[in-house]
Amino acid sequence: EIVLTQSPGTLSLSPGEGATLSCRASQSVSSSYLAWYQQKPGQAPRLLIYGASSRATGIPDRFSGSGSGTDFTLTISRVEPEDFAVYYCQHYGRTFGQGTKVEIK
Amino acid sequence: QVQLQESGPGLVKPSGTLSLTCAVSGGSIVSSIWLGWVRQPPGKGLEWIGEIFHSGSTNYSPSLKSRVTMSVDKSKNQVSLNLTSVTAADTAVYYCATVRIAAGGVRWIDPWGHGTLVTVSS
Repeated sequence: EIVLTQSPGTLSLSPGEGATLSCRASQSVSSSYLAWYQQKPGQAPRLLIYGASSRATGIPDRFSGSGSGTDFTLTISRVEPEDFAVYYCQHYGRTFGQGTKVEIK
Repeated sequence: QVQLQESGPGLVKPSGTLSLTCAVSGGSIVSSIWLGWVRQPPGKGLEWIGEIFHSGSTNYSPSLKSRVTMSVDKSKNQVSLNLTSVTAADTAVYYCATVRIAAGGVRWIDPWGHGTLVTVSS
């Protein structure tokens, strides 16, 4: 069973700063199966990235995904106030990482 | 655009069975994909429970497999989740969601239902 480990647990940033979120798989996985979600308090998760690097419909281009093998990254080029949330990676539409919280510094 | 709505009791007694329904609108289950269930205990992360195809084929999380059953009702365009022998650890927001599969096996979940909170307590 694939285990996804996200780091850091919490990222404290000021609006306008860049963010780099990591997702590491316990074994090599196909990038086709790696997705990223954003979740705000009291809301359902929202798809950001699928296939490791394809942005979902309506997702701003400040969000980008990359990676292969065991190491994947979600990058937010310049964090906007609405981006403060928890971010999850997921493998094969099943296993989730434990999440990274992006909070206001 | 497919929309999903979860429903069911908000309170279940320990050792009882949690039963939820996910109604699909804006599209037919038969023309779809897989429908999955994900849960989230209060203040914690997301946990995949399992998924079901309109044919009735299922995949369950290994950690929950012994207690989970999913079913599909094509006439009502809905799927159901049953979780037996519940404890306080099963208290969570339960989400119904659509599993998308694209060319090359690319897989993701979208859209999600709003979720429904189920509390296990006597």
